[in-house]
Amino acid sequence: EAEVAQSPRYKITEKSQAVAFWCDPISGHATLYWYRQILGQGPELLVQFQDESVVDDSQLPKDRFSAERLKGVDSTLKIQPAELGDSAMYLCASSPYRQGVVSDTQYFGPGTRLTVL
Amino acid sequence: GQNIDQPTEMTATEGAIVQINCTYQTSGFNGLFWYQQHAGEAPTFLSYNVLDGLEEKGRFSSFLSRSKGYSYLLLKELQMKDSASYLCAVDDDYKLSFGAGTTVTVRA
Repeated sequence: EAEVAQSPRYKITEKSQAVAFWCDPISGHATLYWYRQILGQGPELLVQFQDESVVDDSQLPKDRFSAERLKGVDSTLKIQPAELGDSAMYLCASSPYRQGVVSDTQYFGPGTRLTVL
Repeated sequence: GQNIDQPTEMTATEGAIVQINCTYQTSGFNGLFWYQQHAGEAPTFLSYNVLDGLEEKGRFSSFLSRSKGYSYLLLKELQMKDSASYLCAVDDDYKLSFGAGTTVTVRA
């Protein structure tokens, strides 16, 4: 069964350092999402891509976060500089995009657990 | 903004039934999803409702009432492995807004 891949699984960094997370969606899935999940809360959407284009990044803190999906396949999320409050699980999800379909299931990767010291 | 409410915690006995309620107020609606999330793991898809009524899938069922902004997830014949967080999420234009999750603890 196809899965969303993410790396690294765990990352510990000091504040003010730069960190990067990588995601490879399920093959053929046009839509890719990055979420942040703080312990005890539901995932919060940071950025949504349709192929290589950003569809929604309204909740992305653009002063320190950036995301790209240059070839419309895998994606990288970067934080520079990291702050203590960025400690969370960063989840990547993908879904197919089919015209005329009202909604489609998002499939999540295993996530990257970030700890900022 | 989006407002999605579900209880924080529920406890039930192995073999019993538990119903997790979710109420929502969102600007758009393309359907409602339920996900299961074990501690430290990614959410996994359980069910999707876009029309009113009950969708049954094995031990799990999900109900939707769009006019009431209400859904529930029903877990039957509870097993220890069902101990997890259950997330209610509303799809608004291909974007999911999640509730905070309901932690279900199954006791022997």
